[in-house]
Amino acid sequence: SYELTQPPSVSVSPGQTARITCSGDALPKKYAYWYQQKSGQAPVMVIFEDTKRPSGIPGRFSGSTSGTMATLTISGAQVEDEADYYCYSTDSNDTPLFGGGTKLTVL
Amino acid sequence: EVQVVESGGGLVQPGGSLRLSCRASGFTFSDYHMDWVRQAPGKGLEWVGRTRNNVNSYTTQYAASVKGRFTISRDDSKNSLYLQMNSLKTEDTAVYYCASASQGYWGQGTLVTVSS
Repeated sequence: SYELTQPPSVSVSPGQTARITCSGDALPKKYAYWYQQKSGQAPVMVIFEDTKRPSGIPGRFSGSTSGTMATLTISGAQVEDEADYYCYSTDSNDTPLFGGGTKLTVL
Repeated sequence: EVQVVESGGGLVQPGGSLRLSCRASGFTFSDYHMDWVRQAPGKGLEWVGRTRNNVNSYTTQYAASVKGRFTISRDDSKNSLYLQMNSLKTEDTAVYYCASASQGYWGQGTLVTVSS
């Protein structure tokens, strides 16, 4: 079955750039979305349709795609960005799915 | 302001049934596909199922893990989404979120615990 593959964890120091990847064979033809989830809270969308940022999301969050990989970049990561991040997309039959999630540590 | 509120969670025995409800406001509910997403304790997000909008004939899709046991329905006149869960298993224990995942509209979730 189709999967979106993310690294389990990424760690950066405050002010550094964090990059979280999401790999999936259908990504060249399907949009990627990125969600941030802090402990005990509902997920919050930080990127939609590969590269677009919802209103209210800081400019340090950006998205990109290349081939079968989508990337969430946090430029100048801050301590408050520490959270779990999930990519979301659909397979070739338009069935939605989430990646396994990446725990971002900023310290 | 977008608001999505789930209700109906609780404790149920294995093999039992439960119906979750979701009420949305602040956006044109009938325009959007609506999803149920769950998160087991300490685990990641799992898409459960979707009902598309009326332009797409309200078609439904389900994850393999719940197909044949769960049924999603919607009532656009009430801006409401429902999840009927039958033959519940202990592995269905999770926080269940009502969402329009591609729009970024989510509720705060309702906890379903399946245990004897």
